[in-house]
Amino acid sequence: KNEVEQSPQNLTAQEGEFITINCSYSVGISALHWLQQHPGGGIVSLFMLSSGKKKHGRLIATINIQEKHSSLHITASHPRDSAVYICAVIKGGAGNQFYFGTGTSLTVIP
Amino acid sequence: NAGVTQTPKFQVLKTGQSMTLQCAQDMNHNSMYWYRQDPGMGLRLIYYSASEGTTDKGEVPNGYNVSRLNKREFSLRLESAAPSQTSVYFCASSPGTAKNIQYFGAGTRLSVL
Repeated sequence: KNEVEQSPQNLTAQEGEFITINCSYSVGISALHWLQQHPGGGIVSLFMLSSGKKKHGRLIATINIQEKHSSLHITASHPRDSAVYICAVIKGGAGNQFYFGTGTSLTVIP
Repeated sequence: NAGVTQTPKFQVLKTGQSMTLQCAQDMNHNSMYWYRQDPGMGLRLIYYSASEGTTDKGEVPNGYNVSRLNKREFSLRLESAAPSQTSVYFCASSPGTAKNIQYFGAGTRLSVL
């Protein structure tokens, strides 16, 4: 049983579409991260959230602690957004213990 | 800026051989992490170091040892490699606790035959 579930597992979109990736978790957390893994394998941290909403460029991340749910939105999607998006939670009270979702593979078609 | 540097990038081992994966960061970060990534499993934390001189087990520490040599360097050792340790290994660092953004190395692709 995975503490972190992401949906969808795979997503194909046309350039310009609004994209939503969902993350649900079953444990109490102190924070949640969204990561982006490029086709070449490199991993970049996008956001760290403990409440509310954060925005960076075309990316928006939200979290609802009571519902144990987070979403990553991409506005005006572009082929360069094609990547695997990974949700990771830090279990509450466990210091540095991370638990990761298996990722959402996004392909944006021109 | 180099950021987080991992060596080697690729390695093939025979069962029972030992090796050390090296990781160094030049951002003066306190915390460093080792992860493995397997198809269908996602990333899993092997060990982490919250500060120089301290290390703690993560989700999958069996078969691995780590050394936080100094603030910059955090190495991962496989004493007797097994085929189940075939994976992609990532090192990461962050300024403080896990609530900080992490910076990842490029990864080491390890095959154990």
